[in-house]
Amino acid sequence: GAGVSQSPSNKVTEKGKDVELRCDPISGHTALYWYRQSLGQGLEFLIYFQGNSAPDKSGLPSDRFSAERTGGSVSTLTIQRTQQEDSAVYLCASSLSGDRTWYRGYTFGSGTRLTVV
Amino acid sequence: ILNVEQSPQSLHVQEGDSTNFTCSFPSSNFYALHWYRWETAKSPEALFVMTLNGDEKKKGRISATLNTKEGYSYLYIKGSQPEDSATYLCAFTPLGGSQGNLIFGKGTKLSVKP
Repeated sequence: GAGVSQSPSNKVTEKGKDVELRCDPISGHTALYWYRQSLGQGLEFLIYFQGNSAPDKSGLPSDRFSAERTGGSVSTLTIQRTQQEDSAVYLCASSLSGDRTWYRGYTFGSGTRLTVV
Repeated sequence: ILNVEQSPQSLHVQEGDSTNFTCSFPSSNFYALHWYRWETAKSPEALFVMTLNGDEKKKGRISATLNTKEGYSYLYIKGSQPEDSATYLCAFTPLGGSQGNLIFGKGTKLSVKP
């Protein structure tokens, strides 16, 4: 697509429920990233996918968080047994990779605002 | 622990004022410094990426400078307009860092009153 698409744009869920957040990156972008911004905090790295390589999961805050990327395109971030501290804006980004121009930055989606009540 | 600090946290200016804010980052192992602009309910938009000490970049009324030796970057907005209201994010990439790891500051939230 023309840009990075995320759905849903807003999600309100009850504590303890599971949620799935979706990201559709720019066609041809091999790298995909998930970040989140909690209230009053900076953007926090969660997970990074690059092609067929094993993802860098070093930013996932707990084992309740998981993500997958099917067919090298769409990614789903799943949060199990949601807690109130999971409330945040979850951003997905994609970039061209495989050469040194990756540092030129990411193209972000508009995010999913998750509220756990 | 690599830390990126931005100041001020928020800023309120009148239309027509010029303003600037600061991003501080580790001066060792520097690779790249990014500025993003994030309007509410929209996607963060890349403004600049800088890699060399002394780099200056300009986009319309917005410009940025980079000092890698002392570990800071300034973002300047000349003649602020209400449409400049947004959160301005700074992100640092360390040398040898994972391609998946831009380290972001908490941002500076700018409000421009007409």
